[in-house]
Amino acid sequence: ELKVEQNPLFLSMQEGKNYTIYCNYSTTSDRLYWYRQDPGKSLESLFVLLSNGAVKQEGRLMASLDTKARLSTLHITAAVHDLSATYFCAVDMPGTASKLTFGTGTRLQVTL
Amino acid sequence: DGGITQSPKYLFRKEGQNVTLSCEQNLNHDAMYWYRQDPGQGLRLIYYSQIVNDFQKGDIAEGYSVSREKKESFPLTVTSAQKNPTAFYLCASTPSSDWETQYFGPGTRLLVL
Repeated sequence: ELKVEQNPLFLSMQEGKNYTIYCNYSTTSDRLYWYRQDPGKSLESLFVLLSNGAVKQEGRLMASLDTKARLSTLHITAAVHDLSATYFCAVDMPGTASKLTFGTGTRLQVTL
Repeated sequence: DGGITQSPKYLFRKEGQNVTLSCEQNLNHDAMYWYRQDPGQGLRLIYYSQIVNDFQKGDIAEGYSVSREKKESFPLTVTSAQKNPTAFYLCASTPSSDWETQYFGPGTRLLVL
């Protein structure tokens, strides 16, 4: 059974600070996804990481993937209040065509 | 506008009642998915369908049923057998040419009276 764990579960940080969210998964996977969810809203796709060593950046967010360690990180640089949301990572089971297993999410709160 | 629509936004279920959640997409996507999200939790897969007239159980299919008679539509029925249906239900779809990205609908919040 594929398990996906995120930490921390809750993160409160000040504007301007840097921090990293971690996503560990238990079995070999083809792809890793990061999503953002605002309270009461749907999920917004942030990144898709397809191979070992993949790194993608969008604005103040950067995601990386280490398939050997079964670890992905989402790094936040110089946080701003607008980044406050819950961030989920999700992993594909090999050969299952986008049958995703999600982590429990990291709720990020950026304070002024 | 292309996208995924879910209705209703809020749904109330009485005990013993079956209710159906609608999911429609006009993106010409082949694969569609239903997820359940409980407060403070991640999403769990209920059912998915890769082509019309075919669907597979996800991790928590008990108490739910689906149909896929049309490419655009993937309705989810929450049956009376689902004893704890209160949750946020999200529908998603994926283009056949791009298994990499799932696009999510706005969700339906189901509450039990």
